[in-house]
Amino acid sequence: GAVVSQHPSWVICKSGTSVKIECRSLDFQATTMFWYRQFPKQSLMLMATSNEGSKATYEQGVEKDKFLINHASLTLSTLTVTSAHPEDSSFYICSARDRERGAETQYFGPGTRLLVL
Amino acid sequence: SQQGEEDPQALSIQEGENATMNCSYKTSINNLQWYRQNSGRGLVHLILIRSNEREKHSGRLRVTLDTSKKSSSLLITASRAADTASYFCATGGSNYKLTFGKGTLLTVNP
Repeated sequence: GAVVSQHPSWVICKSGTSVKIECRSLDFQATTMFWYRQFPKQSLMLMATSNEGSKATYEQGVEKDKFLINHASLTLSTLTVTSAHPEDSSFYICSARDRERGAETQYFGPGTRLLVL
Repeated sequence: SQQGEEDPQALSIQEGENATMNCSYKTSINNLQWYRQNSGRGLVHLILIRSNEREKHSGRLRVTLDTSKKSSSLLITASRAADTASYFCATGGSNYKLTFGKGTLLTVNP
């Protein structure tokens, strides 16, 4: 149980285009989903916290107009990288908290590798 | 900001040996968690230890937590080649956010 999927698993796009990444909890309802970014050989940096039906909360330094987050249901959150540039190339990972299990453990998706040319 | 700091940054051992990784943090926590990440993949939750616990076991994993020293250790016993991965500690606060350390890259040589 507690499986999280991401789509696409990788994407290559031209500079200036927008890219949408989906994060789905497959077998549980996620009260909260989190979006992280990971650069090569570095740790995960939290970008934003997404709660179903409300606006996302962004971490300091993360541009909310560039990284649009929508959490339309208890099983789906999307991250849209708008007008992507090469410096946005990274590994984007989402995680979800299981509503029923309550607490502290986050279940992570397999990640989406974005390459902006 | 990165809360946890793991050491060593990289660890290379032979199959069958034990691997110990350490994590230090700076602020008060509700819990501390360890995750594993295989190259280019998502994270797998290994174990969670709460702030009022001192030690926890799960299979070949043993985690300790010393809140007075703000540190934790992860011990993997009888390591296998399949244990090769990056290991991250993450501290959890009251808002369910996780703050990750920089990770330890473990290589287990067959």
